[in-house]
Formats: sequence, structure tokens, C-alpha cells
Amino acid sequence: EVQLLESGGGLVQPGGSLRLSCAASKFTFSPYAITWVRQAPGQGLEWVSSISASGGSTYYAESVKGRFTISRDNSKNVLSLQMNSLRADDTAIYYCAIDRVTFGVGAFDCWGQGTLVTVSS
Amino acid sequence: EIVLTQSPAALSLSPGERATLSCRASQSVNNYLAWYQQKPGQAPRLLIYDASNRATGIPARFSGSGSGTDFTLTISSLEPEDFAVYFCQQRFNWPPITFGQGTRLEIK
Repeated sequence: EVQLLESGGGLVQPGGSLRLSCAASKFTFSPYAITWVRQAPGQGLEWVSSISASGGSTYYAESVKGRFTISRDNSKNVLSLQMNSLRADDTAIYYCAIDRVTFGVGAFDCWGQGTLVTVSS
Repeated sequence: EIVLTQSPAALSLSPGERATLSCRASQSVNNYLAWYQQKPGQAPRLLIYDASNRATGIPARFSGSGSGTDFTLTISSLEPEDFAVYFCQQRFNWPPITFGQGTRLEIK
């Protein structure tokens, strides 16, 4: 079964940094754009960032622009999200997701299990 | 930014009944709208993409309709496993990708 596995979450103080990773198993994710979506406790889904298949184009939500950096290593089948200057409102479960249906960002049919980021002093 | 408004916020129905969930966009998204189901402690699951296309493995009781600004997810006859939260999502005008706030489908 195709799987995405996030890692790197944890407890961090306001102003701190974390680096999340998303690894793919049993498939190659190089043909696909990949997206980070987060969900604050008890809340809805919020798009965070997306990266094109080649890695040449990146996109960010206004709430994270300038603080988060998305990158990918297709040779290793790994996606990363470097998160700096973290704030309490960044607290959420972070999911990586892939749209294998439209090869874009419109039909996320493959999701990881999520990794929890808690920003608190 | 396109805002998606889902209604109702919560819906209480019994197994076997028909569920109709709405998603309204603040401007046209053409047909670039998807629906997801999320159960507690799980990642979302894709149900419908491009307004009316069922994703692989999704039962036929789930159907999507609409275009432009008004969309509907219909579950023709509720099964016990269908009680969950449902989100819509647009990709027509991005970034940003946006999601609706969700509809909670509860057992009556």
C-alpha cells in the first residue's frame, strides 16, 4: 500500500524552529506536486505550502510566508518543511498530501498520518 | 482569496437516510471542487474531485454535483461508517488553496 510518513513534530518554544519531513514508501513521488496541510486542534483544514514536481516552484500561505520553507529531494523520495519563528498559532497536526489524480493540488488522494507540532512555552 | 462556506455546520440524521451537504464559494471555482471525509484521529479521505468525480474506491452512495459557486455532496443512504466531518476544497484560483470549515454529520 502506498504510504506517506511524516516525522519531526514535537514541542517547541515560541520563536523556535522545527524541520518536518515526509517520506514516501512503495511509490515514487517525483511526478507529483506535494502539499502540506495543517489542522489546529479541533479545527478545520488549512493549506500551508505546496511544491511542484521538479521543486522549481513553491507556494506558501500568507500566514507562513517568510517563516516556512518547503523543499524536496526526489532522489530520496523526501519532502521537507523548515519552520522558523514559530508561533502559538502554528500549533497543529501537519499532513503531507499528494494529488495523484490531477497531478496538481485539487484532489489529495494520498495523505500521511500527520505529525503534531506544539508551540508553547 | 476564495472563501468556501459549508452548510449546515452540523447535521443529525439516522442510518438509511439521505444526507445533503452544501458548499458555497465566494466566487466561481468552475468545477474545481473536491470533497473529503475525516474521521477522528485520521487523515482526510478524498471522496469527490472536480465536483462530481468519485475517487477510486469510493462507494456509489456518495455523489457530488454543482459548478460555479454552489456545490452539493449527497450521501444517498447513510451507513454507520459515514458519520464523520466533511470538508470541501477548491483549486481553481490558487494560491491559496482553500477549504470549507466543515460539516459534522452526526448520528441521530
